[in-house]
Amino acid sequence: EVQLVESGGGLVQPGGSLRLSCAASGFTFSSCAMSWVRQAPGKGLEWVSIISGSDGSTYYEDSVKGRFTISRDNSKNTLYLQMDSLRAEDTAVYYCAKGRYGSGSYYDNYFDYWGQGALVTVSS
Amino acid sequence: QSVLTQPPSVSGAPGQRVTISCSGSSSNIGTGYDVHWYQQLPGTTPKLLIYINSNRPSGVPDRFSGSKSGTSASLAISGLQAEDEADYYCQSYDRRLSGYVFGTGTKVTVL
Repeated sequence: EVQLVESGGGLVQPGGSLRLSCAASGFTFSSCAMSWVRQAPGKGLEWVSIISGSDGSTYYEDSVKGRFTISRDNSKNTLYLQMDSLRAEDTAVYYCAKGRYGSGSYYDNYFDYWGQGALVTVSS
Repeated sequence: QSVLTQPPSVSGAPGQRVTISCSGSSSNIGTGYDVHWYQQLPGTTPKLLIYINSNRPSGVPDRFSGSKSGTSASLAISGLQAEDEADYYCQSYDRRLSGYVFGTGTKVTVL
């Protein structure tokens, strides 16, 4: 059974940093691209970032480029999202999602399993 | 603002058929990229509902069907049931943004 468990969410001041983790199990982690998708309170889904399975290539949505860093540790089956220079508009539930295919740049990739989400609140 | 536009809400009586549109452009759906659909029940995590335009994952009832044509895609729910009340999102890829995109989302209400 595929399981994705996020952790690391919380309250942070504007300009601060936070690191999310996603522990994966039930599939061959290193073979799959992994992504972060967020959902602001009462709003829709927004893709944030993706990392390829084997070569670790990374891709970001424009509003987080230069502030967020996605990474993975295939030996620990864990995905990370380092979030720096946080803004109020980054407040959202952040979901870890498993890509169906290994490449983060494959245009027909989609997300077949999702975690329960981690709430990040950016406020003073 | 999302580049994939969906109606904010659709509604129908139990047993009826409803459709949700996902309107894109030549930089995403119109390029030929696949469209996928997700269902988010109230207070829960999104779940894959339709993949590669019209395929259902194991366990998804055949009441749900998807299609794609030109720069748009559609999700149809036939024999609407109370348990179908949820938010639905389409997803594709946009070559101009060089990233994945979700639709604006549609809330389905069963009357």
